[in-house]
Amino acid sequence: DIQMTQSPSFLSASVGDRVTINCKASQNINKYLDWYQQKLGEAPKLLIYNTNSLHTGIPSRFSGSGSGTDFTLTISSLQPEDVATYFCLQHNSGYTFGAGTKLELK
Amino acid sequence: QVQLKETGPDLVQLTQTLSITCTVSGFSLTTYNVHWVRQPPGKGLEWMGAMWNGGGTDYNSAFKSRLSISRDTSKSQVFLKMNSLQTDDTAKYFCASHYFDYWGQGVMVTVSS
Repeated sequence: DIQMTQSPSFLSASVGDRVTINCKASQNINKYLDWYQQKLGEAPKLLIYNTNSLHTGIPSRFSGSGSGTDFTLTISSLQPEDVATYFCLQHNSGYTFGAGTKLELK
Repeated sequence: QVQLKETGPDLVQLTQTLSITCTVSGFSLTTYNVHWVRQPPGKGLEWMGAMWNGGGTDYNSAFKSRLSISRDTSKSQVFLKMNSLQTDDTAKYFCASHYFDYWGQGVMVTVSS
């Protein structure tokens, strides 16, 4: 089974900061990595699919990059409404979520 | 528009069977897959299994033979059944569409001893 290591687990940043969250796969997953945002009490929301494709309606400050085993979600300029927990999901072989990154405002 | 809604019990007794229904609208179960994902309180997401649009199923090996997923296409419903519940099965259970692009609101299930 493919394991996903997500870092950091917790992140504190200020409005306007550039924020990066990482996911590392235990083996090559090609481009099959998605990113989700989950606010407290809500269902996850798809942000980015297949490494770098922005889902419909998602602001352009969100972007994704990477390939193979190492992937990054970037928020170019943090907004207050971005406070949430972020998860990655690999779907190259089965489905495995990362453990999550809790993002808070400093 | 695409919608998914989970219905099921709030509370299940230890060792009993959990049954949850996911009712979908805005798409056909014969066209799109439906996944089940769970999330224990304060923890991460775990993929449980899927009902493929062709009628087949796939399961996370972590659930071994405890889990069963089925559907009724005429009612646009997908069913999750899991037996031998333990306290660590306490979680919010979600169904999600094909590419995990649409999710239900989830149902919180507590396993009580």
